[in-house]
Amino acid sequence: AQSVTQLDSHVSVSEGTPVLLRCNYSSSYSPSLFWYVQHPNKGLQLLLKYTSAATLVKGINGFEAEFKKSETSFHLTKPSAHMSDAAEYFCVVSDRSTGGFKTIFGAGTRLFVKA
Amino acid sequence: NAGVTQTPKFQVLKTGQSMTLQCAQDMNHNSMYWYRQDPGMGLRLIYYSASEGTTDKGEVPNGYNVSRLNKREFSLRLESAAPSQTSVYFCASRLGSGGPETQYFGPGTRLLVL
Repeated sequence: AQSVTQLDSHVSVSEGTPVLLRCNYSSSYSPSLFWYVQHPNKGLQLLLKYTSAATLVKGINGFEAEFKKSETSFHLTKPSAHMSDAAEYFCVVSDRSTGGFKTIFGAGTRLFVKA
Repeated sequence: NAGVTQTPKFQVLKTGQSMTLQCAQDMNHNSMYWYRQDPGMGLRLIYYSASEGTTDKGEVPNGYNVSRLNKREFSLRLESAAPSQTSVYFCASRLGSGGPETQYFGPGTRLLVL
């Protein structure tokens, strides 16, 4: 069965320092993995996705994530945080299930960026 | 190209009242979804429609009904609202039925049930 665990409910960084948002998943097949960002009072926007091509995936706004099958992880990173990165981030797994695909959302990690 | 639109943006209901949340997409997508978002729980799937004319239950369908009116529109109905249905509701669409395809989300409807 598929599942997604975002290891931190809140992460706080200073502007200009690196960001690490952690995500572990479980999947029976070869999953597709996504990171979405949600700014306050907005819908979710795709940051990046992994679909069995390169294991290091680059997304928008300088974010990237590395798929590590041996660790069942898909952590999101950015070298230098900006104030505009303050938002909630969701790790998502989509995989084959009975009757089609199943998409599971993590509980979310809220990123705070301090000036 | 407006993407995914939702109406209304905000709604306050009394317990027992009914209402319909509207969703439309102009991307010619086949699949559409309704989620609810509650603090600390991510997004949970209420209902989805893999194609025009079909609907299926998701993780939390109780208390809701849906209609896939045509390829563009997918509505969510609360027949008798309960305080437990206070949440933010998101509609989403994707071209196919899942896997590596990106979902596109609307801006959300904030519902308060008193």
